[in-house]
Formats: sequence, structure tokens, C-alpha cells
Amino acid sequence: AQSVTQLDSHVSVSEGTPVLLRCNYSSSYSPSLFWYVQHPNKGLQLLLKYTSAATLVKGINGFEAEFKKSETSFHLTKPSAHMSDAAEYFCVVRPFDRGSTLGRLYFGRGTQLTVWP
Amino acid sequence: EAEVAQSPRYKITEKSQAVAFWCDPISGHATLYWYRQILGQGPELLVQFQDESVVDDSQLPKDRFSAERLKGVDSTLKIQPAELGDSAMYLCASRADQDNEQFFGPGTRLTVL
Repeated sequence: AQSVTQLDSHVSVSEGTPVLLRCNYSSSYSPSLFWYVQHPNKGLQLLLKYTSAATLVKGINGFEAEFKKSETSFHLTKPSAHMSDAAEYFCVVRPFDRGSTLGRLYFGRGTQLTVWP
Repeated sequence: EAEVAQSPRYKITEKSQAVAFWCDPISGHATLYWYRQILGQGPELLVQFQDESVVDDSQLPKDRFSAERLKGVDSTLKIQPAELGDSAMYLCASRADQDNEQFFGPGTRLTVL
């Protein structure tokens, strides 16, 4: 079975300070992992993805995430928060399934990021 | 930049009524997904199409929900009759092949009164 746990439902930071959004997953061998961002009244946008290449993944808008297999974690970080980063963030797992083209995604419950001026 | 289109953006209906949502994926994307996102939760897959064929509808409540993609391009998701618990955001996504990301539309927010 596969699941995604986002450890914080809400995170608040001041502008210019680091951001850490935590995610743990449970999945089959070699899953693909993603972070999506959802701004109000907009569709989900892919921030970054891990697909068994480098364990440190760089995404858009200065975000990055590190895949740690031993900890089954895929935490999202950014060195310096910006007001425009305020949004809902989803950690997502796509289990490895040899021969399957389903590509089904399993979403966490989301973390709401608030950025204070 | 190509986008996934959805309409309507908002829908308010009374329980027991029928509702329908429309999705137009990015041109050339063979795979299309419908998700339901209940407030405070992440999206959950309802149905997946490969061209015009349903490849995964295991989470679709088939007693009241139906989905079609007759020509393998745009798709319609229908609920009949709607229930109070169906209030949610309905998201459509499309993907070109198994190694590419899913691109999401803005969603249809359904409120059932």
C-alpha cells in the first residue's frame, strides 16, 4: 500500500526566513515523488519531482527537496521565503509498477504555508 | 502556454439534481484524469482515461457518477443525483506519456445544498 503523510497542516514563516515542509511516504520499490503547489483559484502546479536520479532535486522558484530512502522522507525546503510562496503544498507519490502505464498519483493532505511580512 | 480547461468554474446545485463538468485537456495528451478534492484534503483519483478508454475507475462511485471521453479528447464527468457529500473541488488533469508530469486544470468547485 502507498501513503503520504504531510507532518504539518499549517506552517507560518516570516518573509526572508527558511521554509521546511515535511513529508513522509510509504510505497513500493522505487517510487516517484513530487511536490505540487496550489494557489487560490488556480490549478495545481508541479514544483519538482524525484524519479530515481539525484537524491537532491531542485525545482522552480528556489525550492528543493531531498529524497532520503532510509527515512522514507521527501521534505521540501527553500532558503528564503517570499510573500508569493504563500499557498497550499502537496507531497505526492507515484508507486513503481513495472509494466503499468497507469501513473496514478497519491496525494498527501496538504500543508498551508503562510508567509508574514 | 497550453493549459487544461475546465468549466464551469463554480457550480451550486440542490441535492438530487444532476450536474455535469467538462474538461478539455492539453492538445495531444492521451491520458486524462478526474480527481475530487474535499476541503482540507488532497485530491483523490476518480477515473483515468487512456484515449477514449477507461483504465482505472476503481474509486468512482458508479451508482451516481459517470464519466466519458467519447472521442478521446475532451471529457465530461456527471453526478446524478448529487448528494450533500459531493461538495468538493473537481480537478481534471492530462498527461502526454507515462514519464511526463500531469498538468492540472483550475477545477470546478461544486456546492450541493
